[in-house]
Amino acid sequence: LAKTTQPISMDSYEGQEVNITCSHNNIATNDYITWYQQFPSQGPRFIIQGYKTKVTNEVASLFIPADRKSSTLSLPRVSLSDTAVYYCLVGDINTGGFKTIFGAGTRLFVKA
Amino acid sequence: NAGVTQTPKFQVLKTGQSMTLQCAQDMNHEYMSWYRQDPGMGLRLIHYSVGAGITDQGEVPNGYNVSRSTTEDFPLRLLSAAPSQTSVYFCASRPSEVRYGYTFGSGTRLTVV
Repeated sequence: LAKTTQPISMDSYEGQEVNITCSHNNIATNDYITWYQQFPSQGPRFIIQGYKTKVTNEVASLFIPADRKSSTLSLPRVSLSDTAVYYCLVGDINTGGFKTIFGAGTRLFVKA
Repeated sequence: NAGVTQTPKFQVLKTGQSMTLQCAQDMNHEYMSWYRQDPGMGLRLIHYSVGAGITDQGEVPNGYNVSRSTTEDFPLRLLSAAPSQTSVYFCASRPSEVRYGYTFGSGTRLTVV
């Protein structure tokens, strides 16, 4: 399973765009990338998933360069309610990524 | 509402006691997993299942048993509780298609004294 590395914490202000980068240098050809968000005292919530290039949904965008050794979660115009821990994971397409391993995540703190 | 239901929400056990954490989902998801989360830490995978009758170990399986007799239910059994098992336990499920992420339950906060 590819290991991921993320910053431990980040600070931002309301209304700013936040980019959280995840490194996965030994990502395999069959691996895909998934991001989750976790608020205190709650289970993680699926945000976005991608394999290459760019993926966008109503919550975030995910940028994956051609070499796929990193990925960047982009949160547009954050608000105080986006304060949470964000996890980057990689999983094997062929096995369905059922053995999903979480790292320590990035703690994002949004200030007023 | 559809989702993952965990019971109980809170539990205090004495060292050596056994108990079962319940997890049920009504979304017909094939995959189910159990995680534990210690204070200020990420989630660690305990056991997972890819379908009824099929289970396997995750990162930290020692001291825990699971079974999957139906698609809906995936109970986690603590055989002989230890203080090191004090944690928040999350159950999660998802379809087999890779484009879907896990849906998590609200967690069970377990304290072993």
